[in-house]
Amino acid sequence: NAGVTQTPKFQVLKTGQSMTLQCAQDMNHEYMSWYRQDPGMGLRLIHYSVGAGITDQGEVPNGYNVSRSTTEDFPLRLLSAAPSQTSVYFCASSPISRGREKLFFGSGTQLSVL
Amino acid sequence: QQQVKQSPQSLIVQKGGISIINCAYENTAFDYFPWYQQFPGKGPALLIAIRPDVSEKKEGRFTISFNKSAKQFSLHIMDSQPGDSATYFCAVRSGGYQKVTFGIGTKLQVIP
Repeated sequence: NAGVTQTPKFQVLKTGQSMTLQCAQDMNHEYMSWYRQDPGMGLRLIHYSVGAGITDQGEVPNGYNVSRSTTEDFPLRLLSAAPSQTSVYFCASSPISRGREKLFFGSGTQLSVL
Repeated sequence: QQQVKQSPQSLIVQKGGISIINCAYENTAFDYFPWYQQFPGKGPALLIAIRPDVSEKKEGRFTISFNKSAKQFSLHIMDSQPGDSATYFCAVRSGGYQKVTFGIGTKLQVIP
């Protein structure tokens, strides 16, 4: 059972480049989300989804796009990378039914934008 | 606007002591209050969680105290050990919107 898989683990981009961070889960979880973690800022929610075809914005959505075409995958797209997007990115998933809300996190992607 | 305010940002406790981390929230629609533990280089992992219909939940050395009227909840780590040294995050979830938002985290260091 792989859980939540994030790729790549490390990435360096130049300002203006685009890229997609991949997230996949094999637990049939309805809820998936993306967070960024910065020193002194905690974990901030970027976008989330409660099922295929349904996405919504979190606290810091600007500069990021998401889509949810399947239950398993929830990619995060940076259309034009900026140095302010240098961060550690975590994908997390969970069931949405009451009593089963435990979030499972991936191992993270360290992104540097030069 | 921060959904949940966490304090302190850092905490040093001697081995065997009690570690206490506090969180406060405003939105009464929140229905689930978890604490996550994160070790360096790893993703956060659920430690313990509580619902607003109970005032306390204990799992081993970890206890959540919940004060609904004050809109506060706290994590108590009894008999703190060096292996507890990690960053701890409180979080809140709104049942209607499903999304989970986190506090800024507390870096705990337990010294021998």
